[in-house]
Amino acid sequence: DTGVSQNPRHKITKRGQNVTFRCDPISEHNRLYWYRQTLGQGPEFLTYFQNEAQLEKSRLLSDRFSAERPKGSFSTLEIQRTEQGDSAMYLCASSFPDWNTGELFFGEGSRLTVL
Amino acid sequence: AQRVTQPEKLLSVFKGAPVELKCNYSYSGSPELFWYVQYSRQRLQLLLRHISRESIKGFTADLNKGETSFHLKKPFAQEEDSAMYYCALNAAGNKLTFGGGTRVLVKP
Repeated sequence: DTGVSQNPRHKITKRGQNVTFRCDPISEHNRLYWYRQTLGQGPEFLTYFQNEAQLEKSRLLSDRFSAERPKGSFSTLEIQRTEQGDSAMYLCASSFPDWNTGELFFGEGSRLTVL
Repeated sequence: AQRVTQPEKLLSVFKGAPVELKCNYSYSGSPELFWYVQYSRQRLQLLLRHISRESIKGFTADLNKGETSFHLKKPFAQEEDSAMYYCALNAAGNKLTFGGGTRVLVKP
């Protein structure tokens, strides 16, 4: 197991285009998180899943953003009609549901640049 | 709402000197605090958690509920400690809220 995998690692797109990112979590983890990180800032929570259920969404997640985890395994994050403000690193993380550990396992991230 | 503040964007110290990274949080309940670290060209990873009261790579952190702080300390910094450090809070039991991060640069 190579850990959490994210694709693509980099994406450059023009404003108004749609983009989709994929995250493959560690196989035995049933929680999956999406975070966004802009330059000079810490990761900001976007949403999380437990198995296939999306249990919480941040107010940062506008209507243009949608995340899915259809079979409780991999997840996709789609951004429609991208704007320059969407340029950021999108991080995926997975974990066991046992919060006594509090440990998230992060992927390397998908960097989005909107021109 | 919960919030984590790391007032220093950059800490530059010489090898062998002590280093302390400040972290303050706002949350009215009983928080769980963590430090995450990101070394150059590596993933963000857990460094330590307050509940374990452990020392990892020589780092320790004490939760001070009176001052709502969770500062990270190491008595003798090493060059390999150069990295980005993020303080994080688990307040709702479901997700982590991160601070803005502190870059540590240990000079030889």
